[in-house]
Amino acid sequence: DIQMTQSPSSVSASVGDRVTITCRASQGIARWLAWYQQKPGKAPKLLIYPPSTLQSGVPSRFSGSGSGTDFTLTISSLQPEDFATYYCQQANSFPFTFGPGTKVDIK
Amino acid sequence: QITLKESGPTLVKPTQTLTLTCTFSGFSLSTTEVGVGWIRQPPGKALEWLALIYWDDDKRYSPSVKSRLTITKDTSKNQVVLTMTNMDPVDTATYYCAHFVYGDYYFDYWGQGTLVTVSS
Repeated sequence: DIQMTQSPSSVSASVGDRVTITCRASQGIARWLAWYQQKPGKAPKLLIYPPSTLQSGVPSRFSGSGSGTDFTLTISSLQPEDFATYYCQQANSFPFTFGPGTKVDIK
Repeated sequence: QITLKESGPTLVKPTQTLTLTCTFSGFSLSTTEVGVGWIRQPPGKALEWLALIYWDDDKRYSPSVKSRLTITKDTSKNQVVLTMTNMDPVDTATYYCAHFVYGDYYFDYWGQGTLVTVSS
């Protein structure tokens, strides 16, 4: 199985900050990575799908990049509604695997 | 508009079999390049992919629980059913079903999830 790691596990930030989350795969996955946002008590919401494409309706302050084993999710200017947990998911091969999550909370 | 909703028991006893139903609308599982997957999330923990069924009835399972899982579809009812045998307290989680995009391999629409507790 491909193992996914994320860093940091949590980050405290203020509204307007630029936030970068890193996702690393245990082996190369080309550009087969998706990002999800999850708020407490809610289902995950797709943000970015391969290859770094913004899902319809997702604000342009979100962007994804990377290939191979290293990927990043960037929020260019954090908004109040962005405080949530973010997960990466490799889509290269079965079994699909998710990262452990990165919690973005208010500083 | 694609929607999905999970249904099933909220409480099961250890060793029992769990049966969850995903009822969806806005797409058909007889349409090519469509799939429905199941993902679970233990309280306070990360997401774990469990199973996937394609429009052509091809199926994929997570190796960690493969021996305990069965996924089936009823195209006429717009439903996908997940069965998990020999439930254990560690299987306590919120179970989600989600619409799967074949080719790009991601889940774009999710159900609200259903919390299943395994306890005697």
